[in-house]
Amino acid sequence: TQLLEQSPQFLSIQEGENLTVYCNSSSVFSSLQWYRQEPGEGPVLLVTVVTGGEVKKLKRLTFQFGDARKDSSLHITAAQPGDTGLYLCAPISGSGYALNFGKGTSLLVTP
Amino acid sequence: DTGVSQDPRHKITKRGQNVTFRCDPISEHNRLYWYRQTLGQGPEFLTYFQNEAQLEKSRLLSDRFSAERPKGSFSTLEIQRTEQGDSAMYLCASSLSGSGYEQYFGPGTRLTVT
Repeated sequence: TQLLEQSPQFLSIQEGENLTVYCNSSSVFSSLQWYRQEPGEGPVLLVTVVTGGEVKKLKRLTFQFGDARKDSSLHITAAQPGDTGLYLCAPISGSGYALNFGKGTSLLVTP
Repeated sequence: DTGVSQDPRHKITKRGQNVTFRCDPISEHNRLYWYRQTLGQGPEFLTYFQNEAQLEKSRLLSDRFSAERPKGSFSTLEIQRTEQGDSAMYLCASSLSGSGYEQYFGPGTRLTVT
């Protein structure tokens, strides 16, 4: 069973600040997905990273997959209140289609 | 394309009662998934269908839980003899085979067992 850790668990920042959240594991993954979940809604896919060392940018969000494909980070530049939500990582091991989510990082951005 | 829909959005029931939830996936999606999410946790996988076949079930899916997808379109999740520990958000997702691992989630059904 893979051990998946997301940190920090909670993060409260002011609009305009930068932040980084992490997804770490002891297992190697074929790829990894990041989802964002707003209160009362289901998760929405932000990005899939596939190659070790890969960096993907989505507007103010930068995603990186670790060289060894065991960890990933999400960096948000100049956070906005609309970024508020639960950020979930879901590693893909290639052995099935079920997603095994981490506990997530709950982000609150205040004006 | 109206996305994944779930009904009801909220359900309050008394312990010991049976409840049934419905999920309508995106119309052309052949894969359908059920997840459960409790407060402070990420979604946990329950079960997965490809067309009408239930291909994978989690150990979380006790014998009080049953899921069906009779015609390969909508799905139902039934919980018999509900317990307070069943209180959670039940999420449904769908995907199209050959499109990678992206899953599209519905808004969920929040179950409260009193």
